[in-house]
Amino acid sequence: AQKVTQAQTEISVVEKEDVTLDCVYETRDTTYYLFWYKQPPSGELVFLIRRNSFDEQNEISGRYSWNFQKSTSSFNFTITASQVVDSAVYFCALTSGGYQKVTFGIGTKLQVIP
Amino acid sequence: DVKVTQSSRYLVKRTGEKVFLECVQDMDHENMFWYRQDPGLGLRLIYFSYDVKMKEKGDIPEGYSVSREKKERFSLILESASTNQTSMYLCASSPWDSLSEKLFFGSGTQLSVL
Repeated sequence: AQKVTQAQTEISVVEKEDVTLDCVYETRDTTYYLFWYKQPPSGELVFLIRRNSFDEQNEISGRYSWNFQKSTSSFNFTITASQVVDSAVYFCALTSGGYQKVTFGIGTKLQVIP
Repeated sequence: DVKVTQSSRYLVKRTGEKVFLECVQDMDHENMFWYRQDPGLGLRLIYFSYDVKMKEKGDIPEGYSVSREKKERFSLILESASTNQTSMYLCASSPWDSLSEKLFFGSGTQLSVL
């Protein structure tokens, strides 16, 4: 069985603050992929990043960065200098095993206050 | 641009009605999925399909059925709607079976069962 835990259900930050969204996963497979998706108020989930289990390099894309640590089974997401447009629900997800059965966390609702 | 289209953004139905939720993708994707999203529970997989006329149960299939007669269309059917099926329903698609593939989502259908 696989599981994704996002312990933070809601976070509020003031604009320009940095914020980290936590994601902890469980799987018995050695090959797996981790994802982050953003769901703005419009409702459509949008893909942000993908990481495979063999690649522990951190990644930075503009104000976004991701820290993947297999030792702690975590795949955390940091937004630097947050902006109001970052307000959304963010989902961490995991695929492993047969077919493309994706397991999502419950999501973290981020509110950036101007 | 790739697109997953859900037929209705908002839907209100009565208890006991038969409800059809339609989803169409224009990307020639093999895989299609139906999720429901509830506060505090995240996204839960109802059914998925990896080919025309093929379907697999997800984590919460009870009370639902699906139909995939054409590659681009995946329908979710509530045979006899109940109030506990009030939820946001999200359709997604992805290319042929690969753990690494990201999902493309529709904007969702907010279903209220009265």
